[in-house]
Amino acid sequence: SQQGEEDPQALSIQEGENATMNCSYKTSINNLQWYRQNSGRGLVHLILIRSNEREKHSGRLRVTLDTSKKSSSLLITASRAADTASYFCATRLKAAGNKLTFGGGTRVLVKP
Amino acid sequence: EAGVAQSPRYKIIEKRQSVAFWCNPISGHATLYWYQQILGQGPKLLIQFQNNGVVDDSQLPKDRFSAERLKGVDSTLKIQPAKLEDSAVYLCASSSNKGYDEQYFGPGTRLTVT
Repeated sequence: SQQGEEDPQALSIQEGENATMNCSYKTSINNLQWYRQNSGRGLVHLILIRSNEREKHSGRLRVTLDTSKKSSSLLITASRAADTASYFCATRLKAAGNKLTFGGGTRVLVKP
Repeated sequence: EAGVAQSPRYKIIEKRQSVAFWCNPISGHATLYWYQQILGQGPKLLIQFQNNGVVDDSQLPKDRFSAERLKGVDSTLKIQPAKLEDSAVYLCASSSNKGYDEQYFGPGTRLTVT
């Protein structure tokens, strides 16, 4: 199974609402990254959070990391139609030569 | 700053044929990656280069896939012979700090094997 597992697999919300997705992983990490992928812009890096950090913000994005639970969450506030995309968490594992391993993604649909 | 360039963008071949993909990373990025992304799944690392040396190719099907990075800049990924299950998007990415930080992805090559 993949290192990072996103939950839910799909999410449908109205424009203006918040969207929250979670990522769980199995082994110790150096950092955890969130990426967005849509047909227009391909795969784009959003936020990187290191194992000694608990929370990071970037614009309307907020990422938390709980290493004791081996989980992370991505919150998108005041969503827009342009946020419609697949969101992937990717973990950089200490035990795997720092290889970046992607989860299966959460597909987010923001309805106008 | 120019992004990661890939070509071709689309390729359709028949099974048992061969195909090659090309990638030009961001200037100055020492680390280059090739990923395979099957529809509905996350990207899977095939091979990682640090300059022109291979760091990780543990998930590369070496009986049919090969990759090289000449002079530590451009890279090519080849499949020979292709199978139906190789239908996927092949993504190239690069990063600067020995791969510890964020990766920058190219637009990908969508391969269809019929």
